[in-house]
Amino acid sequence: KAGVTQTPRYLIKTRGQQVTLSCSPISGHRSVSWYQQTPGQGLQFLFEYFSETQRNKGNFPGRFSGRQFSNSRSEMNVSTLELGDSALYLCASSIDGYNEKLFFGSGTQLSVL
Amino acid sequence: AQSVTQLGSHVSVSEGALVLLRCNYSSSVPPYLFWYVQYPNQGLQLLLKYTSAATLVKGINGFEAEFKKSETSFHLTKPSAHMSDAAEYFCAVSPSGGSNYKLTFGKGTLLTVNP
Repeated sequence: KAGVTQTPRYLIKTRGQQVTLSCSPISGHRSVSWYQQTPGQGLQFLFEYFSETQRNKGNFPGRFSGRQFSNSRSEMNVSTLELGDSALYLCASSIDGYNEKLFFGSGTQLSVL
Repeated sequence: AQSVTQLGSHVSVSEGALVLLRCNYSSSVPPYLFWYVQYPNQGLQLLLKYTSAATLVKGINGFEAEFKKSETSFHLTKPSAHMSDAAEYFCAVSPSGGSNYKLTFGKGTLLTVNP
């Protein structure tokens, strides 16, 4: 069974641009959550989607948004990039987001110049 | 609200020595507690989780953790370190009966294993 796949692996953008990150969950998993990892703030929850609906959102500005498609694949978008958005963005999937184990992808390393 | 404090951002042990990584939690409700490991350039992998079934939890790769409510702790141990254990370890908490997708993580402890 294939694991959680995140694309692209690396991204370099400049301030003010926008970026879209993609996450393909494990087959059969309907819950996809996103985390931001930085050396200063550590791992922080961004949001979670289940059956195309956002169920929960972390404390991030509106520039961070996401969506989920009918095949459970998810995208995350960051608009008007700032230097502080440079981070490793991790996606995790699980069957339902409750009792089952979370599986993480390898992440997308975003650098904002 | 929940929070997690990992004591020691960097722990160094010799191969074969005991590994002890400390985690203290704060939670207004009975918590679920997790330990994750992250190898360089990889995502997180679940080592073990506590969901109130048993206070001593055994995980993968020989790791175990003990839930101590009186001390609000969930320390991770391994009797004998191996070179392959070198990685960053994260303790995390979520409210029991709630989601496992919205985890609150500690800052992480980098484990170095010396030959």
